[in-house]
Amino acid sequence: GIQVEQSPPDLILQEGANSTLRCNFSDSVNNLQWFHQNPWGQLINLFYIPSGTKQNGRLSATTVATERYSLLYISSSQTTDSGVYFCAAEYSGNTPLVFGKGTRLSVIA
Amino acid sequence: EAQVTQNPRYLITVTGKKLTVTCSQNMNHEYMSWYRQDPGLGLRQIYYSMNVEVTDKGDVPEGYKVSRKEKRNFPLILESPSPNQTSLYFCASSFSPSGTQYFGPGTRLTVL
Repeated sequence: GIQVEQSPPDLILQEGANSTLRCNFSDSVNNLQWFHQNPWGQLINLFYIPSGTKQNGRLSATTVATERYSLLYISSSQTTDSGVYFCAAEYSGNTPLVFGKGTRLSVIA
Repeated sequence: EAQVTQNPRYLITVTGKKLTVTCSQNMNHEYMSWYRQDPGLGLRQIYYSMNVEVTDKGDVPEGYKVSRKEKRNFPLILESPSPNQTSLYFCASSFSPSGTQYFGPGTRLTVL
C-alpha cells in the first residue's frame, strides 16, 4: 500500500539549535501537509505544501514532488516547539490523507 | 472563532455500552473525517464525509458508524465498544479532502 515514512522517529535538541525533519512518500502526491501535535495533544496544521517551499516564521517546508520527499526545517528551536510532527499525503483526488508515524521532538532549555 | 469542537473530551466506559462522540465545525466545511491515534501507529482514518448524507469508510472503519445529517455535525458512534477501541480520537474538517485540515481538540476514550 501507499507509504509515508518520517525520520527521525525521535529527536532531542538544545534550545536554539536547528533541525530538519524528513517525510518520504511512496508515490506521486496531490497534496502534502505538515502538522504539529503539542504536548497537550492539540493538532495544528503548519503547512499545505504539495510542492515548492514555504516559510512561516522560524519554520519552513520544502516538498520535492519529483523525488517524493518533503522537509520541515525548524530554526532557533524553542521549548514550545516540542511535540510530535506529522506529515500527511493525499495521493489522488478525494482520497483520505495518509499520515506518517511522526517525529517526536523534545527541545530542552 | 473558527473551530472544530468535540464532546466529550474524556470518556471512560465499559464494553458493550453504546456511545456517541459529537463533532461540530463552524467553518461551513464540506469535508469531515474521524481519526484515531494510537502509540506507534500515528493517525488512521476511520470514516470520512464529502458532504451531507455522503459518508465512506477510511482505513479502520470496523466497529464504528457515522452520520452526516447536517453539514456542521459529524458524530462518531460506537454501537458496542470494545477495549481495542481505547484510543485518542480526532475529528477534522476542511473545504475539500486536499484542503488544509482543521482538527478538533481530541477525545480520549477508555473502554474497560
